[in-house]
Amino acid sequence: DTAVSQTPKYLVTQMGNDKSIKCEQNLGHDTMYWYKQDSKKFLKIMFSYNNKELIINETVPNRFSPKSPDKAHLNLHINSLELGDSAVYFCASSQRGLQGGRGYTFGSGTRLTVV
Amino acid sequence: AQKVTQAQTEISVVEKEDVTLDCVYETRDTTYYLFWYKQPPSGELVFLIRRNSFDEQNEISGRYSWNFQKSTSSFNFTITASQVVDSAVYFCALSEAPWLTGGGNKLTFGTGTQLKVEL
Repeated sequence: DTAVSQTPKYLVTQMGNDKSIKCEQNLGHDTMYWYKQDSKKFLKIMFSYNNKELIINETVPNRFSPKSPDKAHLNLHINSLELGDSAVYFCASSQRGLQGGRGYTFGSGTRLTVV
Repeated sequence: AQKVTQAQTEISVVEKEDVTLDCVYETRDTTYYLFWYKQPPSGELVFLIRRNSFDEQNEISGRYSWNFQKSTSSFNFTITASQVVDSAVYFCALSEAPWLTGGGNKLTFGTGTQLKVEL
């Protein structure tokens, strides 16, 4: 069983479109995250949710809207896609107190390409 | 604010050489957590180690070892007898303990070190 699963793995879309990436975790964690990895491999947090409540929003454009229907799911919707949105998006989860050996568990990433 | 510096952008070694990847961190917290991740060409983030700030013991796992020095705010990673399969980008990362004051966790990554191991 995959602990943190993201879909789709690859997403190619045209500028101006709206797209969503889904994330689900089966670890019973109470906190979920979205990270963005740019073309230079730099990884930066975008959002964090704890028990469905947004607790971190790192100056991300309003075109990005996360949604957490329950603590096991965190989806990312992106409106009006731009070329600069092309990146790999990683979902992650943890217990808020980082209990557990690994602390954070990452999904395998979604490679978004905007053309 | 938390910060992680990996000054080595790219390192090339010949197989069987030992290599050390440097990591220097900044934090004002006394409780924090340090991590290393490997990102092979396939793209996933592979967890390697987690170290808590109150545990300065060095760690060895097979060919991998980690040296945690709070006095110099460093958490360096050494691969002994490197192999071609070690070729990857390696990230050092830091997480403070904001839940202690009601804040949100976040993992701050360094910029990564690309390790190339050649035959």
